[in-house]
Amino acid sequence: DSGVTQTPKHLITATGQRVTLRCSPRSGDLSVYWYQQSLDQGLQFLIQYYNGEERAKGNILERFSAQQFPDLHSELNLSSLELGDSALYFCASSAGLAGGLYEQYFGPGTRLTVT
Amino acid sequence: AQSVTQLGSHVSVSEGALVLLRCNYSSSVPPYLFWYVQYPNQGLQLLLKYTTGATLVKGINGFEAEFKKSETSFHLTKPSAHMSDAAEYFCAVSDNAGGTSYGKLTFGQGTILTVHP
Repeated sequence: DSGVTQTPKHLITATGQRVTLRCSPRSGDLSVYWYQQSLDQGLQFLIQYYNGEERAKGNILERFSAQQFPDLHSELNLSSLELGDSALYFCASSAGLAGGLYEQYFGPGTRLTVT
Repeated sequence: AQSVTQLGSHVSVSEGALVLLRCNYSSSVPPYLFWYVQYPNQGLQLLLKYTTGATLVKGINGFEAEFKKSETSFHLTKPSAHMSDAAEYFCAVSDNAGGTSYGKLTFGQGTILTVHP
């Protein structure tokens, strides 16, 4: 158990809908990362927050957004869903920012299926 | 931009045999390098990492990896495979301190390791 929790574990929804994925980082970790794992694209970095502020953005679609709240949990919002958005979404947390000096701990993921 | 190439999407070994999973990276700055393992229906777990210093890095479960700058490689090895090692393995790279990516990981495509009795 990494200490990172993600809810829900599974999500099935229809095209065009909007969903929210939730992540609670390890106690004390200030940095949260979101990754998408799909068969086509592999594991890709989406976005990172540190202590409530967005710090880095990867290949995140405009239909996707995220935020980190004062209690440090984070939410990833996916809207106007398409079949191709079906994937496993991981959240990871780390204590700080400095590159690889701080280990990223991964949650169990949320499996999103868009039908 | 950084990138990672894992040679071989599937590797099959016999129990007790040497495990060798290959990883080559591309980075314009000195990289931090990682190997993660993913068991079915689970998240990623860090096996080992290289940041600075000794180029031979030991990790959990008997795995180790060697950073070879001249070959831009970070291959993962284990002398003797166990059935419990069957999983998918990911090599990843991130910027070191001072980069602007703030630690985001760039992953390879993964290698599925199968261990036969």
